[in-house]
Amino acid sequence: NAGVMQNPRHLVRRRGQEARLRCSPVKGHSHVYWYRQLPEEGLKFMVYLQKENIIDESGMPKERFSAEFPKEGPSILRIQQVVRGDSAAYFCASSPGVVGRGGQSGYTFGSGTRLTVV
Amino acid sequence: AQSVTQLDSHVSVSEGTPVLLRCNYSSSYSPSLFWYVQHPNKGLQLLLKYTSAATLVKGINGFEAEFKKSETSFHLTKPSAHMSDAAEYFCVVSPLNRDDKIIFGKGTRLHILP
Repeated sequence: NAGVMQNPRHLVRRRGQEARLRCSPVKGHSHVYWYRQLPEEGLKFMVYLQKENIIDESGMPKERFSAEFPKEGPSILRIQQVVRGDSAAYFCASSPGVVGRGGQSGYTFGSGTRLTVV
Repeated sequence: AQSVTQLDSHVSVSEGTPVLLRCNYSSSYSPSLFWYVQHPNKGLQLLLKYTSAATLVKGINGFEAEFKKSETSFHLTKPSAHMSDAAEYFCVVSPLNRDDKIIFGKGTRLHILP
């Protein structure tokens, strides 16, 4: 069983370019979460999506960042006009339902995408 | 190789009694260790972190964890459980200065009995 697949593993962008990070959830999972980890810090929640819907984007910067989870295909985290401060590891997680309710959550993390802005 | 093991998938305690959520890790590097909580319909929230300073780490909401190198453990505790503590808890290990090598535990579901 494939887990959460994130690609690319490493991404280098020049300032001002766009970065697209992809997350393919576990098969059958309809909930996707994106997190950012800055150096020396823990994970910070960015956005929570279900298929075709953004449920909670309270952790997303107001500008340049967007996320989608289309009916078909992976979830995409898009960062426009990247700046050096966007350099971080970005993690995606998926679950079959709402995490924190009921039995085993099936909450699974990907291995992350390391974004470096030069 | 790194790994993190949360020994219990479910823990049930009565309100007002102590909480213990167990986590063991394995790391080739000096690790940073984290505990996160996830409530329904929410993203992860950082409870506390250990980054090679004091071995007893105090976090939010009355939680604390002790880093024990000899036992390779980082168990999460709270003296008195509250109903609002019912959630899923994740132990995470990451080598210092290598944030792209983060490893997550499978989670422990904490149930609080009235």
